[in-house]
Amino acid sequence: KQEVTQIPAALSVPEGENLVLNCSFTDSAIYNLQWFRQDPGKGLTSLLLIQSSQREQTSGRLNASLDKSSGRSTLYIAASQPGDSATYLCALVTQGGSEKLVFGKGTKLTVNP
Amino acid sequence: NAGVTQTPKFRILKIGQSMTLQCTQDMNHNYMYWYRQDPGMGLKLIYYSVGAGITDKGEVPNGYNVSRSTTEDFPLRLELAAPSQTSVYFCASSESGSGETQYFGPGTRLLVL
Repeated sequence: KQEVTQIPAALSVPEGENLVLNCSFTDSAIYNLQWFRQDPGKGLTSLLLIQSSQREQTSGRLNASLDKSSGRSTLYIAASQPGDSATYLCALVTQGGSEKLVFGKGTKLTVNP
Repeated sequence: NAGVTQTPKFRILKIGQSMTLQCTQDMNHNYMYWYRQDPGMGLKLIYYSVGAGITDKGEVPNGYNVSRSTTEDFPLRLELAAPSQTSVYFCASSESGSGETQYFGPGTRLLVL
């Protein structure tokens, strides 16, 4: 059974710092991996989607990498801002897992002014 | 486009009552999903649909039912509500299956007392 783990569960950093959020998974046979952002009381917003054949994706100050062989993905946020404060969720679809997104529990990020 | 909309935003139910959570998407997506998110946890898939008239169980389907009579709508029915169904429910849609980004609604917060 696929399990997704995100470490740390919470992270507090000063504004301007570069930071890395981690996601690990137990089954490397995946279709793709997504990083989502969730604001309090709101739905999820997809940030980046990495297909299994890709190594990384970039969008603005965000860069997500994927290493299937080691079962790891990282989300790099450059020059963090208070507006980046949210919970970041990692989710993936396992090959043979039908259409099921398997989610980690998330990392709650606080960027202090 | 409004994207994915959900109603109601919040509801309190008594044990044993039933209710329907509504979900509508205006993106003409074939795939639709229902997730639940318990506090401090990732999302878990309840049911999903790959097109009108087709539904399938996810990871935690017990106590729920769904139907998909149109492309736009994917209601989730709770029969005989139990305290264990207290959660936040998210509906999502995607154009196709495993390789596509899922777009989420804002969620319905349900409290069963």
